[in-house]
Amino acid sequence: GESVGLHLPTLSVQEGDNSIINCAYSNSASDYFIWYKQESGKGPQFIIDIRSNMDKRQGQRVTVLLNKTVKHLSLQIAATQPGDSAVYFCAETESGAGSYQLTFGKGTKLSVIP
Amino acid sequence: DTGVSQNPRHKITKRGQNVTFRCDPISEHNRLYWYRQTLGQGPEFLTYFQNEAQLEKSRLLSDRFSAERPKGSFSTLEIQRTEQGDSAMYLCASSLVSGATNEKLFFGSGTQLSVL
Repeated sequence: GESVGLHLPTLSVQEGDNSIINCAYSNSASDYFIWYKQESGKGPQFIIDIRSNMDKRQGQRVTVLLNKTVKHLSLQIAATQPGDSAVYFCAETESGAGSYQLTFGKGTKLSVIP
Repeated sequence: DTGVSQNPRHKITKRGQNVTFRCDPISEHNRLYWYRQTLGQGPEFLTYFQNEAQLEKSRLLSDRFSAERPKGSFSTLEIQRTEQGDSAMYLCASSLVSGATNEKLFFGSGTQLSVL
């Protein structure tokens, strides 16, 4: 079936630099996308979401960009901090499908070098 | 702390044994989800409840798996005759649906199952 995937399995960045995590999706019916952060031993934690009628959304130090033409999603983290070290997942769903059945990608491990 | 509580945190069992996990969602949340996550992978949907009704099941949920949410509050996930392939992190999530089109799922810390 169609699924969400990630380009890079691991990413190392220097503390204070910006991080960009990418995600490709293939389900053209998906209209709602979410980024989750998962620290070791914990469940996924909601970071930011975006609907398909938007191409950019900003939060605190994070920005999500959506390019529907090429089915690409990215998460930008500004001034990356050691506490940002975690695995990041993108997830997608069809909001009109009646349930919140998220399809997660494989994950990108972000390591922040102090 | 997301407010979703899962017990136990870790479970080690022998192949063929039955195991049961419990999830206590955030108290006012009406939807409860079970996901399974293996090492290096993203979580995979198993099933979900709207109040006490189980509305959807994934093909991943074999006949050995059963989930309940008897009073629309806590939920249990039972695996009968466990197999080594059942070893995974079992995640519970809850959300509040009140007419809005987008839910926010809040995940618990999961139950890590190891089948020997």
